[in-house]
Amino acid sequence: EAGVVQSPRYKIIEKKQPVAFWCNPISGHNTLYWYRQNLGQGPELLIRYENEEAVDDSQLPKDRFSAERLKGVDSTLKIQPAELGDSAVYLCASSPRRTGAYGYTFGSGTRLTVV
Amino acid sequence: KNEVEQSPQNLTAQEGEFITINCSYSVGISALHWLQQHPGGGIVSLFMLSSGKKKHGRLIATINIQEKHSSLHITASHPRDSAVYICAVGARFGAGTRLTVKP
Repeated sequence: EAGVVQSPRYKIIEKKQPVAFWCNPISGHNTLYWYRQNLGQGPELLIRYENEEAVDDSQLPKDRFSAERLKGVDSTLKIQPAELGDSAVYLCASSPRRTGAYGYTFGSGTRLTVV
Repeated sequence: KNEVEQSPQNLTAQEGEFITINCSYSVGISALHWLQQHPGGGIVSLFMLSSGKKKHGRLIATINIQEKHSSLHITASHPRDSAVYICAVGARFGAGTRLTVKP
């Protein structure tokens, strides 16, 4: 079974440009998470989906970040426009139930560099 | 104050030493996770526990629900154990403990 698939693995963009990340969770996993991880820090939750509904987006900077999970499967995280401080690894994870009570599976992440 | 606090932030040990990493949390819990992240690598789930103790190989995880505290122990540590160990409660993560085991 394929794990959580993220693309691209790496992205370098100039500031003020848009960027999008894609995540395909494990089949059947209802819950999908987007995290941002800065160097030397733990992952920070950006948004959590239960199926297609965003149930926790309190940490998502809504002025420039947006996310969607159409049909409750794949998800896209977008930043527009990107800023230098957005350089980080963006991680996607999924679990069968909410709050990770049944365990997380993480993707390999997308390393974003904004120059 | 973070909802999930880990200590220490950094830990250096000699091969063979017994290692303990601590996690305290203030949020409600259905399960607590210990995760491992190698440099440049992905995040791997080590344990998920909601009570008591779990053991896998040289790794042991314990949790005290009343005290809202969990510990991850590594017995007979090895350089390949060098990684960042992260405690997670619900969707909230600790900052991680960077472990370096020297030969």
